[in-house]
Amino acid sequence: RKEVEQDPGPFNVPEGATVAFNCTYSNSASQSFFWYRQDCRKEPKLLMSVYSSGNEDGRFTAQLNRASQYISLLIRDSKLSDSATYLCVVNTGRRALTFGSGTRLQVQP
Amino acid sequence: DTGVSQDPRHKITKRGQNVTFRCDPISEHNRLYWYRQTLGQGPEFLTYFQNEAQLEKSRLLSDRFSAERPKGSFSTLEIQRTEQGDSAMYLCASSGQENTEAFFGQGTRLTVV
Repeated sequence: RKEVEQDPGPFNVPEGATVAFNCTYSNSASQSFFWYRQDCRKEPKLLMSVYSSGNEDGRFTAQLNRASQYISLLIRDSKLSDSATYLCVVNTGRRALTFGSGTRLQVQP
Repeated sequence: DTGVSQDPRHKITKRGQNVTFRCDPISEHNRLYWYRQTLGQGPEFLTYFQNEAQLEKSRLLSDRFSAERPKGSFSTLEIQRTEQGDSAMYLCASSGQENTEAFFGQGTRLTVV
């Protein structure tokens, strides 16, 4: 079993739609969680950290469920520019960041 | 630019040759990571330094791979006797404190022919 698992997609949604991605992690000792965005042939860039209480940044909302060991990302009012791969990232503290394989989002006009 | 920088950006090499990549992290960051990424996959962890100490190495890092961070600043990743399967994007990232986010360089794209 992979340490961090994501649905690879692709998720094809129309502009303005709301879309949600989930990610599960296997290490219950994981301490910090992030969503990164990666455009084609570019490096991953931090989208947002995920806090236990949940957090929101504009159209993006991240949630953490420690009991079920999953995190989620909700994107409201999708834009064409949101088309990218979204990487779920988990950090157990002493270890390096562990990445999921990514979920590809394609927002269509 | 005070971000993470990697050199070279692209490298084409013949099978069997040795290659070396360099990463300069954000200056105040003491943690440095190397990842490898192939098409359609997320970044796979290779190795991790805290200051000059190499704290963890992935099983992916065969004996042909070696990484150093001699003074706790820049790092090098060397691949000896390259194979076609080594073709990938090699990403370097750095972070400050434990449990904080990491920032990536633009990567070195290696093609072994």
